[in-house]
Amino acid sequence: EVQLVETGGGLIQPGESLRLSCAASGFTVSNNYMSWVRQAPGKGLEWVSVLFGDGTTHYADSVKGRFTISRDNSKNTLYLQMNSLRVEDTAVYFCARGRTRQFDPWGQGTLVTVSS
Amino acid sequence: QSVLTQPPSVSAAPGQKVTISCSGSSSNIGKNYVSWYQQLSGTAPKLLIYDNDRRPSGIPDRFSGSKSGTSATLGITGLQTGDEADYYCVTWDSGLNAGVFGGGTKLTVL
Repeated sequence: EVQLVETGGGLIQPGESLRLSCAASGFTVSNNYMSWVRQAPGKGLEWVSVLFGDGTTHYADSVKGRFTISRDNSKNTLYLQMNSLRVEDTAVYFCARGRTRQFDPWGQGTLVTVSS
Repeated sequence: QSVLTQPPSVSAAPGQKVTISCSGSSSNIGKNYVSWYQQLSGTAPKLLIYDNDRRPSGIPDRFSGSKSGTSATLGITGLQTGDEADYYCVTWDSGLNAGVFGGGTKLTVL
């Protein structure tokens, strides 16, 4: 079964760092586009980042320079390193296989709360 | 303010049909594929339509997608109470070099 499980969310203070993990099963992360999408409480979906199979990355302007998407092929896991976190980064973070043509499947999401 | 524009809400009676529009520009919908997602309350989004008009296996043919110029449309026929959810369109923006979502549309089945 193709599945994604995110971990790493939590309560963190502004300015601090956090790394999210997305463990994949049933397929190989390195052979696929992989993306992060977030959803602030009560708000819509916001595209965050994509990692191509060839290693190319793209980021939303709102996180560029602060967030880094990466993968560990040996662990078949996708990551999102989030630095200099802001209150406005508070959201449920979803990982998904694919890119904007097709996000499927999605993980269950992990909540990141940035607050002092 | 989302790059893609969707109506905030739509409603219809059970058994009826509804369409949800997604309006963009030449740099996004005009030159890239659109996909659509259903998000039931408290759950992760689910793929409904990809590559503008293709349905993944397991998605009933009550759901359809189309694209014309800089707009895309999701259609749902034979509405059921279980279709009550938020619906999102998304595509790539070649000018921004980033993905862009619509603001989402809340479907109410009266």
